[in-house]
Amino acid sequence: KAGVTQTPRYLIKTRGQQVTLSCSPISGHRSVSWYQQTPGQGLQFLFEYFSETQRNKGNFPGRFSGRQFSNSRSEMNVSTLELGDSALYLCASSRDAYSYEQYFGPGTRLTVT
Amino acid sequence: EDKVVQSPLSLVVHEGDTVTLNCSYEVTNFRSLLWYKQEKKAPTFPFMLTSSGIEKKSGRLSSILDKKELFSILNITATQTGDSAVYLCAVEYGAGSYQLTFGKGTKLSVIP
Repeated sequence: KAGVTQTPRYLIKTRGQQVTLSCSPISGHRSVSWYQQTPGQGLQFLFEYFSETQRNKGNFPGRFSGRQFSNSRSEMNVSTLELGDSALYLCASSRDAYSYEQYFGPGTRLTVT
Repeated sequence: EDKVVQSPLSLVVHEGDTVTLNCSYEVTNFRSLLWYKQEKKAPTFPFMLTSSGIEKKSGRLSSILDKKELFSILNITATQTGDSAVYLCAVEYGAGSYQLTFGKGTKLSVIP
């Protein structure tokens, strides 16, 4: 069974631009969660989607948004990029909501210059 | 203010040693505490302590949750070089919708 895939793996953007990251969960998984990881703040929860609905959201500004499609694939968007948005963005999928048997993707390394 | 605090920040031990990692938390409407192992990039999911659980074991790894004192410890016995990783503690909390917050992690290095 294929694991969680994330695209792109690496991305360089400039301040003010916007970016869209993609995550394909494991087949049969309906829940997708997004995390931001930085050296200073560690791993922080962004949001979780289940059946195309955002169920939970972390403490991030409205510039961070996401969505989930009917095939459970999810996208995350960051608008008006700031230097502090440089981070590793991890996506994790699980079969059901409220399940922490999560499987993580390899992440997308975003660098904002 | 940090809701989840892990200690120590880093630890170097020799193969065969036993290590104890600590995680303390302070949240409202605690639900569960989880330990993750992160090697290179993606964390894995060793096991979870629920709000009603006390101790769990998974091979050489074991953990306890003290809901009264608001902390958890992760023990690893007979450490191996493959145990080298960052160990993250995460706490799920909240009423209705939930929040998940992570500690900064403990970097464990096991040397031969």
